[in-house]
Amino acid sequence: QQQVKQSPQSLIVQKGGISIINCAYENTAFDYFPWYQQFPGKGPALLIAIRPDVSEKKEGRFTISFNKSAKQFSLHIMDSQPGDSATYFCAASKYNQGAQKLVFGQGTRLTINP
Amino acid sequence: DTAVSQTPKYLVTQMGNDKSIKCEQNLGHDTMYWYKQDSKKFLKIMFSYNNKELIINETVPNRFSPKSPDKAHLNLHINSLELGDSAVYFCASSPTSGRGNGELFFGEGSRLTVL
Repeated sequence: QQQVKQSPQSLIVQKGGISIINCAYENTAFDYFPWYQQFPGKGPALLIAIRPDVSEKKEGRFTISFNKSAKQFSLHIMDSQPGDSATYFCAASKYNQGAQKLVFGQGTRLTINP
Repeated sequence: DTAVSQTPKYLVTQMGNDKSIKCEQNLGHDTMYWYKQDSKKFLKIMFSYNNKELIINETVPNRFSPKSPDKAHLNLHINSLELGDSAVYFCASSPTSGRGNGELFFGEGSRLTVL
């Protein structure tokens, strides 16, 4: 059972365009929703994150939009650059006994064409 | 300075062998994790330790045995390797402070290939 569903699986955007990746979750107990960026041969690295009491969070060109009632959240990358080409993972988690159990989406391979 | 380091980076072995992957973090975190990334890039948690205590133990075959000698180290031993164990294994760590800020710091991964 996939608790976090992510789409699209792959995305091609022109330089300067807006990249949008969507995720939906099922478990209402989740209390933390991060996005991770992964380059080939590297581990995932935190890009931006949001808690469910906030509907939007913006950090530079990256924005998370969060819809608690619909149990959906999305990542928007404004003015997309070739250096943004990577695999992006949404995740959801609940903090328990000192551990953050992240449940990841399936990933989106983003390619920004110059 | 590498924050979360794993060794080896690559591991090629035959079916039926036993192998170990080691992980060390110098971030002062209390919690460490093992994640498995399959050929489709899907990331799934396997184990988590907080201060050497096992906190998360997902549905993982008991051929996989984690060990945390201290809070800076988390090793993964795999017995009787199978073809399906081929994957990239990521170690991660996170701070513990109340609810925590939720960020996991991942190592660069250990690519295991079972022939």
